[in-house]
Amino acid sequence: EADIYQTPRYLVIGTGKKITLECSQTMGHDKMYWYQQDPGMELHLIHYSYGVNSTEKGDLSSESTVSRIRTEHFPLTLESARPSHTSQYLCASRKQGGAYNSPLHFGNGTRLTVT
Amino acid sequence: EDKVVQSPLSLVVHEGDTVTLNCSYEVTNFRSLLWYKQEKKAPTFLFMLTSSGIEKKSGRLSSILDKKELFSILNITATQTGDSAIYLCAVTTGANNLFFGTGTRLTVIP
Repeated sequence: EADIYQTPRYLVIGTGKKITLECSQTMGHDKMYWYQQDPGMELHLIHYSYGVNSTEKGDLSSESTVSRIRTEHFPLTLESARPSHTSQYLCASRKQGGAYNSPLHFGNGTRLTVT
Repeated sequence: EDKVVQSPLSLVVHEGDTVTLNCSYEVTNFRSLLWYKQEKKAPTFLFMLTSSGIEKKSGRLSSILDKKELFSILNITATQTGDSAIYLCAVTTGANNLFFGTGTRLTVIP
């Protein structure tokens, strides 16, 4: 049962539109991540956060932005969508701290198509 | 440069076969290695390994870590068509980074 929720599950929009992909988790995790994944391809980290008011860019250059105003919420925004943004976007979270980093919990993803 | 390499990239087997998936890594300040199974949607967690030589087992799946040789294997015995998926390996480090491999696509045919 998912404790990390992404909406919408699927989205088809036209070029130039502004969109926000939502991600919420109920586990109280400090660390949250956004990954981009094309079908059958590897995961690419585009943004991450270690807590409220903390956001960092990941390995893959992205034109998206994120915010972390509340622990449980980590939305991703595209100001002007382009066909090159067509992909699956996966949100994940994990617990902070401890000697061994805890596993990632993933949401079910948002599949975005920009026409 | 930190990296995680999985092999093979893809594998096709018949039901009932046993498969071994490999994950090798080169990272600074290793903390843990994780295996995930990804079908059509989000990856689901399988195992987290932190100590060498201790096998983790769940049903027909098992995994072990070798911190000296910097690799892990994921074994699946008596494969079923439902095992068809991409299997992802990820490594976490002391700097709180998480590195994913490209995954192994396993296809099990009846």
